[in-house]
This record gives sequence, C-alpha cells and structure tokens, in this order.
Amino acid sequence: AQSVTQPDIHITVSEGASLELRCNYSYGATPYLFWYVQSPGQGLQLLLKYFSGDTLVQGIKGFEAEFKRSQSSFNLRKPSVHWSDAAEYFCAVAYSGAGSYQLTFGKGTKLSVIP
Amino acid sequence: SQTIHQWPATLVQPVGSPLSLECTVEGTSNPNLYWYRQAAGRGLQLLFYSIGIDQISSEVPQNLSASRPQDRQFILSSKKLLLSDSGFYLCAWTRTSNTEAFFGQGTRLTVV
Repeated sequence: AQSVTQPDIHITVSEGASLELRCNYSYGATPYLFWYVQSPGQGLQLLLKYFSGDTLVQGIKGFEAEFKRSQSSFNLRKPSVHWSDAAEYFCAVAYSGAGSYQLTFGKGTKLSVIP
Repeated sequence: SQTIHQWPATLVQPVGSPLSLECTVEGTSNPNLYWYRQAAGRGLQLLFYSIGIDQISSEVPQNLSASRPQDRQFILSSKKLLLSDSGFYLCAWTRTSNTEAFFGQGTRLTVV
C-alpha cells in the first residue's frame, strides 16, 4: 500500500528565509505527487503537482518541488518565505484502484513564520 | 469553471443525533467524489469515494455512511453520532483519474 511521510510536524522560519518541507513516499509504481496548502479552517488548495517529465516543478505562490526517484522524495521549497505562507502543508501521492483514483496524504507540516 | 460547495461550515450536534453533510459540484459531469476526515495531527483520512451514482466505496469501517443520489451530489450521514466523530470533514472531487483533487471548504463537526 502507498504511504506518505512528512517527518516534520512543525517548522518555524523567519520571514525572508528559505524553506524546505520534506516528503517521502512509498509506492510501487511511478507516483503522481502533489503538495497542498491549508489555511486554518479552510479547505485544501493545490500548490503544485508532478505527473511526469521535468522533475523540478513550479507551483503557485513561488513554491517549487523536486521529484527524486532514488530517494522517494518530493520536497517542497521556497527561496524566501512571506508571513502569508504560514499554514499547514500536505504532501500527497495518488494511485488508481478499483476504478477510482485516490489520494493518500501525509500528516502535514505546520509552518510558522516569524516576522 | 468548476466549483464545489460543502455545507454547513460548522455544526455542533449532541451524541446520538443524526448527521447529514452535503456536497455538490458544479461545472463538470461524472466526477469522482470523496469524503475525507481530518483530525488534528493525523492528516486526512479517506472515508468514502464514489465513481458514479449509487456507487460508493468505504475505506474504513465506522459509524458513517455516504450516498450519491445524483451525479454531482455526495452526502455523508450518520444515524447516531459518537463523540469520536468530531472532526473536520472535507469533500473533494476529481475528474476520472490522474488529476488533482479539488476540495470544498470543509465542515467543522463537534459532537457534544
């Protein structure tokens, strides 16, 4: 079965500093990978996705992520964090099964930003 | 464009009472529909998914059920709520396969 691990439960960074959120997955085939962001009390918004091709993908809000098959990782990065980036971030892997298509999520990383 | 509506946004219900959360999608046809529950520190747990009308798959045994009476309507129900049913419930949809999921704004359910 597929699984997603986000090893950091909570990260605090200063505004303007760089950011890297880690994500490791376990999946037998080529994965479809996603990063979502959730503000408190809100739904999830897609930041970026990887299906195939270039392993460095660009997303919204200045985020990027790199797929590394050898490390089974899909880490999210941003060169300079803004206070508005404070939120919870979820990595997800998708698979197809039983005629449907499902996402498995990590447990999330909460990002705090110090002014 | 496609939109997803989920309501109510907040709900407080006594133990043993029934539950009905509704989710509708606009602007697309034959979507795959999903109900997730989010508990603090535990990520998102897939509860149900549906690939078509009256076609529901349950991922975990629980006190909840789901129904899809129309193509773009997905309902989460319970006959008798438990304290452990408290949480943040999210509805989502995808196109048939291999695309990202789009989420509703969620329902905060508190069972008292």
